[in-house]
Amino acid sequence: GENVEQHPSTLSVQEGDSAVIKCTYSDSASNYFPWYKQELGKRPQLIIDIRSNVGEKKDQRIAVTLNKTAKHFSLHITETQPEDSAVYFCAASRSNAGNMLTFGGGTRLMVKP
Amino acid sequence: KAGVTQTPRYLIKTRGQQVTLSCSPISGHRSVSWYQQTPGQGLQFLFEYFSETQRNKGNFPGRFSGRQFSNSRSEMNVSTLELGDSALYLCASRPSGDIYEQYFGPGTRLTVT
Repeated sequence: GENVEQHPSTLSVQEGDSAVIKCTYSDSASNYFPWYKQELGKRPQLIIDIRSNVGEKKDQRIAVTLNKTAKHFSLHITETQPEDSAVYFCAASRSNAGNMLTFGGGTRLMVKP
Repeated sequence: KAGVTQTPRYLIKTRGQQVTLSCSPISGHRSVSWYQQTPGQGLQFLFEYFSETQRNKGNFPGRFSGRQFSNSRSEMNVSTLELGDSALYLCASRPSGDIYEQYFGPGTRLTVT
């Protein structure tokens, strides 16, 4: 089955700096890669996603890049703000095999004011 | 549209008992997936239902089961509860077709004593 590894497990940055979280996956058939943000005590929220036919996607301060050959994808957050502090999860799935998401272990991002 | 809802939000059960959790997807969404979230194991896929049929199942014992009703609402049941079943149980819904995004409910916090 699919295996997703996520690094780092914790990340501390100064407000205004950039943050990068990296994930690798094992199943070359995976073709959908979402990122979720989970604040303490709240539900995971979808913040951005990318499909395997696209190399990069941006949404304001957030971007995701995908390297299918190397089987890794990354989340980039620019101009970080204290409200970006949360746990971020990457995930992978094969869209033609239902909706099973395999999650990475999570990254606790702390943005210091 | 209203988001995914889950009931109850909190539950305390005793080892050996059984429990039923409920999930109402976003209106129009036909797929419901269930996930278990624990500090040690992270987010793990339990099962997925689409049009009242189980489409995928994760690596959990048979004590974990689920079903989906004709209105897409879903329930999951855990029998013979163990201490290790204490977790946040999340459901996520997704529309059918070429839209891959899954949206999570607030979860049910189950504590087994």
